[in-house]
Amino acid sequence: KNEVEQSPQNLTAQEGEFITINCSYSVGISALHWLQQHPGGGIVSLFMLSSGKKKHGRLIATINIQEKHSSLHITASHPRDSAVYICAGSRTQGGSEKLVFGKGTKLTVNP
Amino acid sequence: DAGVIQSPRHEVTEMGQEVTLRCKPISGHDYLFWYRQTMMRGLELLIYFNNNVPIDDSGMPEDRFSAKMPNASFSTLKIQPSEPRDSAVYFCASSLTGTLRRAADEQFFGPGTRLTVL
Repeated sequence: KNEVEQSPQNLTAQEGEFITINCSYSVGISALHWLQQHPGGGIVSLFMLSSGKKKHGRLIATINIQEKHSSLHITASHPRDSAVYICAGSRTQGGSEKLVFGKGTKLTVNP
Repeated sequence: DAGVIQSPRHEVTEMGQEVTLRCKPISGHDYLFWYRQTMMRGLELLIYFNNNVPIDDSGMPEDRFSAKMPNASFSTLKIQPSEPRDSAVYFCASSLTGTLRRAADEQFFGPGTRLTVL
């Protein structure tokens, strides 16, 4: 079982819809990162969460530490939100701390 | 700052050839990460450096892969000899610190190098 699991793998929505992408993680993950990978391939960090909720524009990220679950929400989705969204967990092992990644969720927002 | 710079952006080579990927991190960032992305396995950490010193290379797939950081502004990832299964996009990223639990430790990714080994 992967340390970080995302769902769904693919998601298609109509412009204006509310989007939710889910991420579950295993014991040993201390913080969650959400990344956005544009169709051209570039990767941008959206959020880092260790508790609670964060909001940036139309993007909201939440985390439930007890359930080891995080969600990324997009309100009033737009075609420009089409991208791959990647959840990554921060894990400490052997004195080093690094990211372990989910497989990503490919979001397509149609006009 | 221009962000993380990687070169080349695309590389096509034949099996058995040596491949060298290059990265220039953001000035002032102490940490540099090399990642590989494939359809099958997604993003994987290969190795990371702190102040030019390799900290964790447990993700380096085998002895054919090597990475160096001779100074704070330059790193290389070398594959010798290359094999078709090395075909992937290789990303370099840098951050101010390596404590990934703090927002200040956001990683900044380069545009990636798409490697195709024929």
